[in-house]
Amino acid sequence: EPEVTQTPSHQVTQMGQEVILRCVPISNHLYFYWYRQILGQKVEFLVSFYNNEISEKSEIFDDQFSVERPDGSNFTLKIRSTKLEDSAMYFCASSAGDHEQFFGPGTRLTVL
Amino acid sequence: AQSVTQPDIHITVSEGASLELRCNYSYGATPYLFWYVQSPGQGLQLLLKYFSGDTLVQGIKGFEAEFKRSQSSFNLRKPSVHWSDAAEYFCAVDSGGGADGLTFGKGTHLIIQP
Repeated sequence: EPEVTQTPSHQVTQMGQEVILRCVPISNHLYFYWYRQILGQKVEFLVSFYNNEISEKSEIFDDQFSVERPDGSNFTLKIRSTKLEDSAMYFCASSAGDHEQFFGPGTRLTVL
Repeated sequence: AQSVTQPDIHITVSEGASLELRCNYSYGATPYLFWYVQSPGQGLQLLLKYFSGDTLVQGIKGFEAEFKRSQSSFNLRKPSVHWSDAAEYFCAVDSGGGADGLTFGKGTHLIIQP
């Protein structure tokens, strides 16, 4: 069964450093999403991406964040200058446009 | 703006007992509704979804949920829980646009007593 994959599973970085989180969505899906879950809290929407551009973004998705689909398979989330409060689990999801989103296993980001 | 409320932060149920997890949503039209389960350290697995039609929907692992428009609710039920059901359960709503992000509730932590 096709699934969304994410790498790395755990990323540790120093405050102020740039990180790139990678996702491989399900191959025939057209919509891609990033979500964040701070430890012990609810899952929060960050951004959606369709047709090579951002479709919707939340207030969390400020100028330090960016997304890209550099090739036909990967979907990345870049955080330019990480802060302590960026420590969270980041989930990628994809959809065929039928409102059902499939989530990856997540990347745990720890900012020291 | 849409919102999702899961009023129970923790629920403890004995193994074999029935379960109901509550979810209320706030949205002007009929939303697309979902229940996801998250085991410790794991990602989100879709249990079931409601888009339209029959208001009682069946999902995986023996779960079902009922959409009640009059109460703006989408409660999750299971007739007999198993120890493996211990996890975090999230209710979520999609306002309907294809690119819209899901709005999640804060989750309910389910504890199973032997």
